[in-house]
Amino acid sequence: YVLTQPPSVSVAPGETARITCGGDNIETKSVHWYQQKPGQAPVLVIHFDVDRPSGIPARFSGSNSGNTATLTISRVEAGDEADYYCQLWESPSDHVVFGGGTKLTVL
Amino acid sequence: QLQLQESGPGLVKPSETLSLTCTVSGGSISSTEYYWVWVRQPPGKGLEWIGTIYSRGNTYYFPSLKSRVAISVDTSKNQFSLKLSSVTAADTAVYYCANSGTLSGPMDVWGRGTTVTVSS
Repeated sequence: YVLTQPPSVSVAPGETARITCGGDNIETKSVHWYQQKPGQAPVLVIHFDVDRPSGIPARFSGSNSGNTATLTISRVEAGDEADYYCQLWESPSDHVVFGGGTKLTVL
Repeated sequence: QLQLQESGPGLVKPSETLSLTCTVSGGSISSTEYYWVWVRQPPGKGLEWIGTIYSRGNTYYFPSLKSRVAISVDTSKNQFSLKLSSVTAADTAVYYCANSGTLSGPMDVWGRGTTVTVSS
């Protein structure tokens, strides 16, 4: 199972960033999203398609429909600049799949 | 609050076995609430899942690594471990341990990562 993310997304401060994660019939699976800043471990920002862990700003939201899951970051700030990865559990082959990652640049 | 910390050699010779340990604090490694995960990230590249172990011993491995990898739990030390045999330069990466509440769930807590270089 392959998850496809755009290598890069650029957005101006205050605008909305949308990062996609494409996969075959992905809407039938639970997708999780991580933010990773340089030299740091990943941080979970969205789990189970749409839920935000405690401490994650409401500016971060998720959706999952058809063959595309989307991470949306509203009112983008300079501190949101990072790599973002989608991830799911693939069954019945029973393994974790990561997308290739998207570098978000805040212009 | 659950915390994870990786430890192990930073340099491994080609063809040898890479061994890392993840020490768990703030929770019990034997809890049936947790799955324990290893993930790696080669320099300049994306995240790559290595494998997952449940507290009761069930293991799940990345298919292309399955023949070389073993993950185990040491309940007496509240640790879980990774062994990767016959390493090559392609195994050079930052190795992270993480935990998940369910097999299909997210990796909620991550260690800070440890860099392993494969070189003679």
